[in-house]
Amino acid sequence: EVQMVESGGGLVQPGGSLRLSCAASGFTFSSYAMHWVRQAPGKGLEYVSAISSKGFNTDYANSVKGRFTISRDNSKNTLYLQMGSLRPEDTAVYYCTRAPSGSYNPTYFDYWGQGTLVTVSA
Amino acid sequence: DIVMTQSPDSLAVSLGERATINCKSSQSVLHSSSNKHYLAWYRQKPGQPPMLLIYLSSTRESGVPDRFSGSGSGTDFTLTISSLQAEDVALYYCQQYYSTPLTFGGGTKVELK
Repeated sequence: EVQMVESGGGLVQPGGSLRLSCAASGFTFSSYAMHWVRQAPGKGLEYVSAISSKGFNTDYANSVKGRFTISRDNSKNTLYLQMGSLRPEDTAVYYCTRAPSGSYNPTYFDYWGQGTLVTVSA
Repeated sequence: DIVMTQSPDSLAVSLGERATINCKSSQSVLHSSSNKHYLAWYRQKPGQPPMLLIYLSSTRESGVPDRFSGSGSGTDFTLTISSLQAEDVALYYCQQYYSTPLTFGGGTKVELK
């Protein structure tokens, strides 16, 4: 069974940093591109970042470019999102998502984790 | 960026009745090499992450009930739930994956009448 479990969310002050993790299981992690998608409280879905299966290619939404860094450790089946210079508008549930086999970006998402809440507030 | 516009924002449907959700893209999402529309639909039940229903505008994801169907072409697309079940009370989102940045519609809330 495909599973993705996010962790690392919490309360952080504006300007602070946080690292999210996504532990994957039930599939060959190193064969799939992975993405982060976020959802502000009561709002819609927003693409954040993507990374190719081997980690050679990355992509970011303009809203986070230069502040967030996506990475992965295929030996640990884990996806990361390093978030810096955080702003109140970054407050959201952050979902780890999987792209279907053979796809990187642009793509749709065939599996989603349960999400982890990041709150940026003084 | 491709802007995705969903309508209506919400709709109330009786159990067993049909629900129709619309999604319009600001430009075509037709991939010329494959002649396929790069449009997906998701359902998000309260307190849960989204779940993929449809991709390539009309291909049902494995395990998705056949009461869900997708249609459309060019810039106008529709998700139809032929006979609403209680578990279909949820938010529904369309998403284009024709180009980056990936963009989603604003969502349509389906409630019970």
